[in-house]
Amino acid sequence: DTAVSQTPKYLVTQMGNDKSIKCEQNLGHDTMYWYKQDSKKFLKIMFSYNNKELIINETVPNRFSPKSPDKAHLNLHINSLELGDSAVYFCASSQQRGVQETQYFGPGTRLLVL
Amino acid sequence: AQSVTQLGSHVSVSEGALVLLRCNYSSSVPPYLFWYVQYPNQGLQLLLKYTSAATLVKGINGFEAEFKKSETSFHLTKPSAHMSDAAEYFCAVKGQAGTALIFGKGTTLSVSS
Repeated sequence: DTAVSQTPKYLVTQMGNDKSIKCEQNLGHDTMYWYKQDSKKFLKIMFSYNNKELIINETVPNRFSPKSPDKAHLNLHINSLELGDSAVYFCASSQQRGVQETQYFGPGTRLLVL
Repeated sequence: AQSVTQLGSHVSVSEGALVLLRCNYSSSVPPYLFWYVQYPNQGLQLLLKYTSAATLVKGINGFEAEFKKSETSFHLTKPSAHMSDAAEYFCAVKGQAGTALIFGKGTTLSVSS
């Protein structure tokens, strides 16, 4: 009964490869997010979708492309991986009732680019 | 624009001692403030949140935080530390609906026996 799940949990790949990370939430929320946590543990928003519509798109290289097939899923595809993409990527979800809504986080995907 | 500053990247306490993790915020609109905890190799878990209903907010695991507008602070406290409290703690702010959380840089809490 995991609320927000991500696959894979670990991802080790070579520079230049293309990879995808998947996220699913079973909370019935209408908003989903991707955050990146760097090696210094700093967390920063990348994207957010509300009811499958992109609402936040921070300054992220266009090698990163989110896709939301339905409001329970938000995937992240990364093209031409670079060393600097190594990080932990967290998916989160919330119900957009108001500004104080709680975001629930997945366990993270640890990406290592060699 | 919103931002948070966590003072002290690393705090060490003895088991049973008071825990105080500091967070100051900057916000152009009434802020909504959150504390999250991250245990090693895990995701983030909400400890507590301030939503303007009460300035003293109680959270899980015995933690609480007090919103002080005059000091623009939202410090996290726990009267007596347990070994299991050792983790990374993040303060975050949200200013408007439809925006994402803005996180501080985190504070690592170490608890020694």
